[in-house]
Amino acid sequence: GAVVSQHPSWVICKSGTSVKIECRSLDFQATTMFWYRQFPKQSLMLMATSNEGSKATYEQGVEKDKFLINHASLTLSTLTVTSAHPEDSSFYICSARAGPGNTIYFGEGSWLTVV
Amino acid sequence: GQQVMQIPQYQHVQEGEDFTTYCNSSTTLSNIQWYKQRPGGHPVFLIQLVKSGEVKKQKRLTFQFGEAKKNSSLHITATQTTDVGTYFCAGDNFNKFYFGSGTKLNVKP
Repeated sequence: GAVVSQHPSWVICKSGTSVKIECRSLDFQATTMFWYRQFPKQSLMLMATSNEGSKATYEQGVEKDKFLINHASLTLSTLTVTSAHPEDSSFYICSARAGPGNTIYFGEGSWLTVV
Repeated sequence: GQQVMQIPQYQHVQEGEDFTTYCNSSTTLSNIQWYKQRPGGHPVFLIQLVKSGEVKKQKRLTFQFGEAKKNSSLHITATQTTDVGTYFCAGDNFNKFYFGSGTKLNVKP
């Protein structure tokens, strides 16, 4: 089946620094990628929808200047958490699909801890 | 914005009992997908329902999509301990894809 690779799986960063998370579709071209955040024992909260070659569409309440999303190619999207703070510590997970209505495949997720 | 509600939040069953989780959307969906997530893992795709009134089966799992394409259900017959995890529905409204709150299933042996 389709594979979506997310890197890094775990990252610890100091407060005030930035961290980048990559999401790659390995065997299909992902026209759309989604970024989610999941707090412990909660559901996945959609942060933004990213279409290749265009600006990401952010959900209400998500700071676009803090969570920079780039979808420069059909196989790669990145999420950069800028000026990270401890409250940004969370599980971030991406998903991708080839087109509207297609099955969505998830990356393995990235655990971010800001100290 | 679109909301996808899912109930119950938790379900504890004895092994062999049945289990059902329900999903409701505030808007009509183009399709709905179901995922299972184990603790510490990422959501794993189970199935996609597209047609109004569609019913699909995977062994002991039965998935239904409502006639109005706003609600869906997942039913597990004769649960096993391997069914433990959180089941999420996810509503697809073309370029927006929202998850339900999930139902955490615990199966006692």
